[in-house]
Amino acid sequence: QKEVEQNSGPLSVPEGAIASLNCTYSDRGSQSFFWYRQYSGKSPELIMSIYSNGDKEDGRFTAQLNKASQYVSLLIRDSQPSDSATYLCAVNPTTGANNLFFGTGTRLTVIP
Amino acid sequence: ETGVTQTPRHLVMGMTNKKSLKCEQHLGHNAMYWYKQSAKKPLELMFVYSLEERVENNSVPSRFSPECPNSSHLFLHLHTLQPEDSALYLCASSQFRGGGTEAFFGQGTRLTVV
Repeated sequence: QKEVEQNSGPLSVPEGAIASLNCTYSDRGSQSFFWYRQYSGKSPELIMSIYSNGDKEDGRFTAQLNKASQYVSLLIRDSQPSDSATYLCAVNPTTGANNLFFGTGTRLTVIP
Repeated sequence: ETGVTQTPRHLVMGMTNKKSLKCEQHLGHNAMYWYKQSAKKPLELMFVYSLEERVENNSVPSRFSPECPNSSHLFLHLHTLQPEDSALYLCASSQFRGGGTEAFFGQGTRLTVV
């Protein structure tokens, strides 16, 4: 069973639309959740972290966490072509709190 | 200096060579990581060092040997690699606070084994 699962996409949205990226995880005791953005040929860049149930907003980005459903999502409002990248979901599992496990990522393309 | 620096950025090596990857973090963090990123696969956690002690080794073959001489430096020593080891190797660091950790990545080393 995969630790962290994401739809690999590709996900295409028109410029100005809302992009919705989803992630599920297997370790029910996981406490910390992160979204990274990775442009082609570059390394992952942390864009959001969330630790408690509910929504967390930062500019055009909103992370949503539902621990009961073991589900975390990222919404990007007013999508821009510069948002085109692969978005990686990452989770700290219960065991080995230093560890950080990643999903395969969702490729997002914002169409001008 | 940028937060996490990796050298070299690109490396081509033969299967009988020995080489080392270097990582340096300037963020004052207490944990460092090696990850492997291959096409179509998730980032694979290889090693974790916390306070200079190795706390995780995810069944990595012995041809990969990590070294953490201090909290700012991390090395990955490579020997007798296989072509399937060709990948992007990423170093990351974090400040572990007990409740989770935000990791910051270096630019990676693109390794090709021929």
